[in-house]
Amino acid sequence: DQQVKQNSPSLSVQEGRISILNCDYTNSMFDYFLWYKKYPAEGPTFLISISSIKDKNEDGRFTVFLNKSAKHLSLHIVPSQPGDSAVYFCAASAQTGRRALTFGSGTRLQVQP
Amino acid sequence: DSGVTQTPKHLITATGQRVTLRCSPRSGDLSVYWYQQSLDQGLQFLIQYYNGEERAKGNILERFSAQQFPDLHSELNLSSLELGDSALYFCASSPGYGEKLFFGSGTQLSVL
Repeated sequence: DQQVKQNSPSLSVQEGRISILNCDYTNSMFDYFLWYKKYPAEGPTFLISISSIKDKNEDGRFTVFLNKSAKHLSLHIVPSQPGDSAVYFCAASAQTGRRALTFGSGTRLQVQP
Repeated sequence: DSGVTQTPKHLITATGQRVTLRCSPRSGDLSVYWYQQSLDQGLQFLIQYYNGEERAKGNILERFSAQQFPDLHSELNLSSLELGDSALYFCASSPGYGEKLFFGSGTQLSVL
């Protein structure tokens, strides 16, 4: 039972354009959402998070949008840079983080120079 | 560098064997989490410890066990290994419950 789904295994964008990574969840108890970025041979690193009381959180080039009614969140990267090429994981937890994170299967982003 | 140390980085073993994966959390972090990433899969939560006590359990097989020691390092024991146990095993730590996690670089287990 996949409670967090990333339906696009890969995404390719041109440098300077917008990258949009999508994530859907099924568990209505989830109230805290995070994005992690993973380079080869490294562990995932935290990128940005959002609480269910918000619908948008921004940090530099990265913005996460949350649509609770659709149980959908997205990560926007603007402008995309070649160094952003990595695997991006969406994660969610319930009770504002008191439950372990549930991860999606990841989306591999390739930013073409 | 996340501050989370996992050893060994690579482990090659045979079916039926037993291995131990080790994790040292970031200084001051009380929670340790273990995740498994199989090929083309997301990170599957296995188990969480908080200050030496088991806090939450995920999809951990009975053949697997873990513990967190008084110095807060943790070990994940995998026994009666099967081919399907081949995966990347990550340890993560956090100061308390469920804040953003800091991951180690993982242990790549290959069961031949």
